[in-house]
Amino acid sequence: DGGITQSPKYLFRKEGQNVTLSCEQNLNHDAMYWYRQDPGQGLRLIYYSQIVNDFQKGDIAEGYSVSREKKESFPLTVTSAQKNPTAFYLCASSSWQGRSGANVLTFGAGSRLTVL
Amino acid sequence: SQQGEEDPQALSIQEGENATMNCSYKTSINNLQWYRQNSGRGLVHLILIRSNEREKHSGRLRVTLDTSKKSSSLLITASRAADTASYFCATDLSGSRLTFGEGTQLTVNP
Repeated sequence: DGGITQSPKYLFRKEGQNVTLSCEQNLNHDAMYWYRQDPGQGLRLIYYSQIVNDFQKGDIAEGYSVSREKKESFPLTVTSAQKNPTAFYLCASSSWQGRSGANVLTFGAGSRLTVL
Repeated sequence: SQQGEEDPQALSIQEGENATMNCSYKTSINNLQWYRQNSGRGLVHLILIRSNEREKHSGRLRVTLDTSKKSSSLLITASRAADTASYFCATDLSGSRLTFGEGTQLTVNP
């Protein structure tokens, strides 16, 4: 079945440690996204990538880094510079249709990061 | 800042009743979308309405868009307990990224 796989589902981190969240898709989608969700709140965009080897900062990129070496994969690293990393992280992908098209997202099941 | 704002923040109804959620946004859009999120899960796309459309239906869902008021509404008819979830509107300004609102938490009581 086609879809997006995020791992791990739950992750605990000590302060000062970097952690990497995995996101893999087999939908052949061009664009991929990382969102952060805090309790009772909406989604905020961290980074997005429209093609391989290229990515753009979203609204809250500070303290995060990404790479897009393969079309299928878009890992997110939460660095020690992120002041409040405890959150629910959601990865999504879409088939890039350009400015005139519509961008419908398919989401993974999410990764919950807790900083101890 | 968030582009879309949902109203109400929370809604509790009985099974069989209709549920209406509203979304307001600030700038011109390419299209507006509604997503559903079950607790602790990823979001699922429900319906998309383009800026040149006024109303759209999909099963028990009805979406309206008023670009002059920069607002949209999502109506779920004959609600079921399984409709309990958070519902988010998302605005697409340029086809490159979506901006989500803070969501409406819908509870449908059996």
